[in-house]
Amino acid sequence: QKEVEQDPGPLSVPEGAIVSLNCTYSNSAFQYFMWYRQYSRKGPELLMYTYSSGNKEDGRFTAQVDKSSKYISLFIRDSQPSDSATYLCAMGVSDMRFGAGTRLTVKP
Amino acid sequence: EAEVAQSPRYKITEKSQAVAFWCDPISGHATLYWYRQILGQGPELLVQFQDESVVDDSQLPKDRFSAERLKGVDSTLKIQPAELGDSAMYLCASSSRRMIDTEAFFGQGTRLTVV
Repeated sequence: QKEVEQDPGPLSVPEGAIVSLNCTYSNSAFQYFMWYRQYSRKGPELLMYTYSSGNKEDGRFTAQVDKSSKYISLFIRDSQPSDSATYLCAMGVSDMRFGAGTRLTVKP
Repeated sequence: EAEVAQSPRYKITEKSQAVAFWCDPISGHATLYWYRQILGQGPELLVQFQDESVVDDSQLPKDRFSAERLKGVDSTLKIQPAELGDSAMYLCASSSRRMIDTEAFFGQGTRLTVV
């Protein structure tokens, strides 16, 4: 079993939809949680950073961490075609462990 | 805006040849990471530096891979000899303190193709 599980998709939604992306993990020691966006042939770009449990909101993006369930989510409201990318969850203690990434396409 | 610089962006090399990648982290960032990302997968940590010291190289294939950060600033990752299975994106990331304290920022990566 991988430390971090993420459904690779692909996920296709119409413009304006609410997108829900999720990851589960097995290591209860993980303390911080991140979401990265990666466009094709580019490096990952940090979207959200959360320490421990709770919610964090930044514009159209909301990150949720439920440590009791070992489950994290990223919600994208009013999705745009420019949101089309691969979304990677990452988490850890002293370094980052990544999920496989979910490929998202937002269709106009 | 400060960013992590990597070069080259693309590299094609023949099997058994040596190849090297360079990374210049964001100024002042003490922690530097090298990750490998195979197409369709998430990045996997190869090596982590704190200043000039290696703090984690448990996943680095030391028979062919080496990494250094001599002055605690920029870093070089070398593969010798390269194998077909080394074809991947090699990503460098940096953070201002230990990962547990703050977020990390990635460079654009070096895409390696071994033929």
